[in-house]
Amino acid sequence: QSALTQPASVSGSPGQSITISCTGTSSDVGGYKYVSWYQQHPGKAPKLMIYDVSNRPSGVSNRFSGSKSGNTASLTISGLQAEDEADYYCTSYTSSNSYVFGSGTKVSVL
Amino acid sequence: QVQLQESGPGLVMPSQTLSLTCIVSGGSISSVGYYWSWIRQQPGKGLEWIGYISYSGSASYNPSLESRVTISVDTSKNQFSLKLSSVTAADTAVYYCVRVREGTSAYDIWGQGTMVTVSS
Repeated sequence: QSALTQPASVSGSPGQSITISCTGTSSDVGGYKYVSWYQQHPGKAPKLMIYDVSNRPSGVSNRFSGSKSGNTASLTISGLQAEDEADYYCTSYTSSNSYVFGSGTKVSVL
Repeated sequence: QVQLQESGPGLVMPSQTLSLTCIVSGGSISSVGYYWSWIRQQPGKGLEWIGYISYSGSASYNPSLESRVTISVDTSKNQFSLKLSSVTAADTAVYYCVRVREGTSAYDIWGQGTMVTVSS
């Protein structure tokens, strides 16, 4: 199974909003509501930020939101802060009864 | 507060079997409503889903690894395990054990990860 496609990098200034895309196919992203997003700081384990396309776990800032249209899911970070600088990964359930991750996006705060 | 901790050898010889264990503390691995997963990350690369297993022992694997992977649960020790056979240098990675909420895509609790190097 091929990795989901994410932009290699996205950047923004403090206070701005940025959006990270995650593009798959009808056999994964487009076919199911089971898309989640993870934040990973260097040397740390990933942290769940969004699950089932748009649900935010308890304790995650409401500056993080998720959506999906067709075969593309998106993570939006509003009010960008320095602490948001990290790598972000999407993942989706697939028709093979498995999960596939995205290629990852490095977010830089200018 | 459920916590996960990976354990196992940090160095494995090529063609041998990589074996890791994840100890679950602060909760029961037999609790209804959770799956238990392994995910890895090669140095400088992205995340790769290896597979997961339910509390009842039903497992699903990454199709690209399925022929070499076995995930099992030991409820008596409150732990689950990963075995990856015929390893090569490409299997060098940080391996994470993760809790998954059943019926969702929420991989919500992660272990700290353990680095495994495949080398002679």
